[in-house]
Amino acid sequence: QVQLQESGPGLVKPSETLSLTCNVSGGSITDYYWSWIRQSPAKGLEWIGYVYYTGTTFYNPSVRSRVTMSVDTSKQQFSLVLTSVTAADTAVYYCAKGVRDYGSLDWFDPWGQGTLVTVSS
Amino acid sequence: DIVMTQSPDSLTVSLGERVTINCKSSRNILYSPTKKNYLAWYQQKPGQPPKLLIYWASTRESGVPDRFSGSGSGTDFTLTISSLQAEDVAVYYCQQYYTTPLTFGGGTKVEIK
Repeated sequence: QVQLQESGPGLVKPSETLSLTCNVSGGSITDYYWSWIRQSPAKGLEWIGYVYYTGTTFYNPSVRSRVTMSVDTSKQQFSLVLTSVTAADTAVYYCAKGVRDYGSLDWFDPWGQGTLVTVSS
Repeated sequence: DIVMTQSPDSLTVSLGERVTINCKSSRNILYSPTKKNYLAWYQQKPGQPPKLLIYWASTRESGVPDRFSGSGSGTDFTLTISSLQAEDVAVYYCQQYYTTPLTFGGGTKVEIK
């Protein structure tokens, strides 16, 4: 079964760029849509967007101007880049596998363990 | 955006008692052509990621105990734990996947009395 593991810096300075990677094991990265979701006390669970191995993406309008997602099929990894971060971007960031059926959008199973990213100088 | 509103924010229940968690969407998330409600429920225990419990509002994920059940349609949904066990202490979230952006409820914390 698919397992996910996030990696990346735990501390990012304000105005700089947050970059995270999610490693996919136990399944092919070409078979699913992959999402990033973050969780903070202030905003709760917030879906950031999804990426497909073809490069197709969809981003939450709340972060659309600052976010880029991509897939590296050779490494079985997908990534998140969020620019111009502020303290409001401090959160636990999760990667997750999207599950679809009947033409729906995604519910998520499984999720990675999550990685805390703090934005602070 | 579709706003998902959960109630109550928290509840304290004795072991073996029934737990009912409500989730209300700001728009109808029943898709008429498929007759399916685009709603999932998750359980999050401390220090862990959310775990999928239910999708299509009432379909239990494989391996989820049958004391967990989902019901509702349109804009009003319920997650029920028929007999609370100690391992059910967690925060529960609903999520709509009817339209983008995908959105989650604020969570309901379940504790033992």
